[in-house]
Amino acid sequence: DAGVIQSPRHEVTEMGQEVTLRCKPISGHNSLFWYRQTMMRGLELLIYFNNNVPIDDSGMPEDRFSAKMPNASFSTLKIQPSEPRDSAVYFCASSLSQLATNEQFFGPGTRLTVL
Amino acid sequence: DQQVKQNSPSLSVQEGRISILNCDYTNSMFDYFLWYKKYPAEGPTFLISISSIKDKNEDGRFTVFLNKSAKHLSLHIVPSQPGDSAVYFCAASSGTYKYIFGTGTRLKVLA
Repeated sequence: DAGVIQSPRHEVTEMGQEVTLRCKPISGHNSLFWYRQTMMRGLELLIYFNNNVPIDDSGMPEDRFSAKMPNASFSTLKIQPSEPRDSAVYFCASSLSQLATNEQFFGPGTRLTVL
Repeated sequence: DQQVKQNSPSLSVQEGRISILNCDYTNSMFDYFLWYKKYPAEGPTFLISISSIKDKNEDGRFTVFLNKSAKHLSLHIVPSQPGDSAVYFCAASSGTYKYIFGTGTRLKVLA
């Protein structure tokens, strides 16, 4: 099993540019999560999808952030326009279901730097 | 407003000794707790979990203790090995998908 796949692994962009992060969850998993990791706040849940439907986007910081899941094997997180304070590591994770006892498997992350 | 707190950003331990990582939480609705381990340039990986109906769960060298009255959990690693050097995240859930993570503790095991 390839695990959760994320691309790109690193992204450097300038303030005001659009950034798109991509994720392929583990096949058969119906729950997908986007997290952001910062030193000050640790890992924060941005948005949760179940069966490709956004269920909880309460963690999305503001309207500049959007996420889609057009099918069971692909999701994107878009930031437009990007700002320096968006610099962080963004993780995608997937799990078999929404139960807490179903382990969330994380991808390797995308390190985003906004200059 | 951090509902899950890891107050020690870092910890150094000699190889073979015990490592104790601590975590405090504020929400009494949390009933499931987890520890994740993260190596540099990799995503977090699940390590061990505990339900609120237990006060201890053990898996090999790793044991998690839960003190509900103190809203405190700890991860014990015995004996510590250099390969255990990583960042450890504590997380809590009220039974659903929503994991609330702490800010992490960086463990360094010295050979």
